[in-house]
Amino acid sequence: QKEVEQDPGPLSVPEGAIVSLNCTYSNSAFQYFMWYRQYSRKGPELLMYTYSSGNKEDGRFTAQVDKSSKYISLFIRDSQPSDSATYLCAAPRLGKLIFGQGTTLQVKP
Amino acid sequence: GAGVSQSPRYKVAKRGQDVALRCDPISGHVSLFWYQQALGQGPEFLTYFQNEAQLDKSGLPSDRFFAERPEGSVSTLKIQRTQQEDSAVYLCASSLVRLRGDEQYFGPGTRLTVT
Repeated sequence: QKEVEQDPGPLSVPEGAIVSLNCTYSNSAFQYFMWYRQYSRKGPELLMYTYSSGNKEDGRFTAQVDKSSKYISLFIRDSQPSDSATYLCAAPRLGKLIFGQGTTLQVKP
Repeated sequence: GAGVSQSPRYKVAKRGQDVALRCDPISGHVSLFWYQQALGQGPEFLTYFQNEAQLDKSGLPSDRFFAERPEGSVSTLKIQRTQQEDSAVYLCASSLVRLRGDEQYFGPGTRLTVT
C-alpha cells in the first residue's frame, strides 16, 4: 500500500464549477500536507500546505485535512480553464516528499 | 532570481548508454533533491544532498544510478547502462533548509527516453 493515495482521474468539469480533489494517507506520523500543481511538461509548484487538521483558505483554493479519517482535500471554487493541470498531494517524511499519483483536472470553457 | 534549472530538457538514449543529467539549484539553497516521475505517476524520491554531502540515497533504484554535488551547488545524476524502465522525467528540487518539505522548489525536469 502506498503511503499517499490519490484517484488519478481524469476529472473534467465546466468552467465555474466547484472542484473537489482528494487523497488518503496511511502514515499517522505525517504532520502536515501539501498540494502541488503541475502543468504539462513543467515541474510541480507548491499551491498550499496545511498543518494537522482543519482548513486553510487561499483565494479560490481551500485545503482541508481530516486526521481522524486520514483524508486530505483540495477545493477549487469558480474553476477556470487555467486551472487545468495535474494536482499532487504530498507529505514530507524526513525532509523528502511522499507524493500521491496525481489527479488530472480539465476545466472546459 | 532564477529558479531551478535542469539540462538537457529532453534526452534520448539507446539501451546500454550512460547519461548525465544536470541540475542548477537556486543560489544559496542548501538542500537538493532528485525525484523520478514515471508517466501518469507522482514523483518518487531518489536522493538528497545537504551541501555536498549525500545524506540519503535510499530511493536510488539500482547501483546504476549515481548522484553527486561536489561543490555543494550544481548536481549531476548519472545513469549507467540505461534500461527501458529508466524512461521517466527526472526532477530536481532545492530548498533553503531541510526542515520543512514545503520549501522545495522544482525544476522543469529532464525527460529521458530509453529506446
